[in-house]
Amino acid sequence: QVQLQESGPGLVKPSQTLSLTCSVSGDSISRGNSYWNWVRQYPGKGLEWIGNIYYSGSTYYNPSLKSRVTILVDTSNHQFSLRLTSVTAADTAVYYCARLRRSAGAFDIWGQGTMVTVSS
Amino acid sequence: ENVLTQSPGTLSLSPGERATLSCRASQNVSSTYLAWYQQKPGQAPRLLIYSTSNRATGIPDRFSGSGSGTDFTLTISSLEPEDFAVFYCQQYGSSPATFGQGTKLEIK
Repeated sequence: QVQLQESGPGLVKPSQTLSLTCSVSGDSISRGNSYWNWVRQYPGKGLEWIGNIYYSGSTYYNPSLKSRVTILVDTSNHQFSLRLTSVTAADTAVYYCARLRRSAGAFDIWGQGTMVTVSS
Repeated sequence: ENVLTQSPGTLSLSPGERATLSCRASQNVSSTYLAWYQQKPGQAPRLLIYSTSNRATGIPDRFSGSGSGTDFTLTISSLEPEDFAVFYCQQYGSSPATFGQGTKLEIK
């Protein structure tokens, strides 16, 4: 059974960097048939795709966040990570990691999500 | 980016009734890359339908998807009590991936 689990601080100060890690079990990031994604959901319920990474390290980012986002992969430890710099209150959201199957363009496995609040 | 607009915003129905949810895209979407999700309070979204009309693993056959181009539909043939939730459509035919704003299906 494939499972994803997010981890990281639940509170980040304005202007600082948000860092989250997603641990993958039950699947291999290196298999090559999936992209590994970050998606966030605002308190008002809207969903926003942040970006993804392929096992090779190739990344694709939402243009709205591209200047502040970095996604990295650590295949040996079955993890991928998100860094979002210069955060503001507008970055307060539930952050999900999710697997996207290349053949279907759909997010078939999601982590449980982690709430991140940006506040001083 | 390809903006997805869902309607109605809220749908009030009773168990046993048929639900029809709409998703309209601002640009054509390849049918391969249109999906639907269900989300219940406090949970992550769950994939229901991928590639417009394919049910994900474990999804009951009362859920079906259809459409092409810019107009897509999720149909629930006979509502069960556990079906009431928020539903989102999503496309990744063009980057960035985008989601609709959601349709809340509530018990009448």
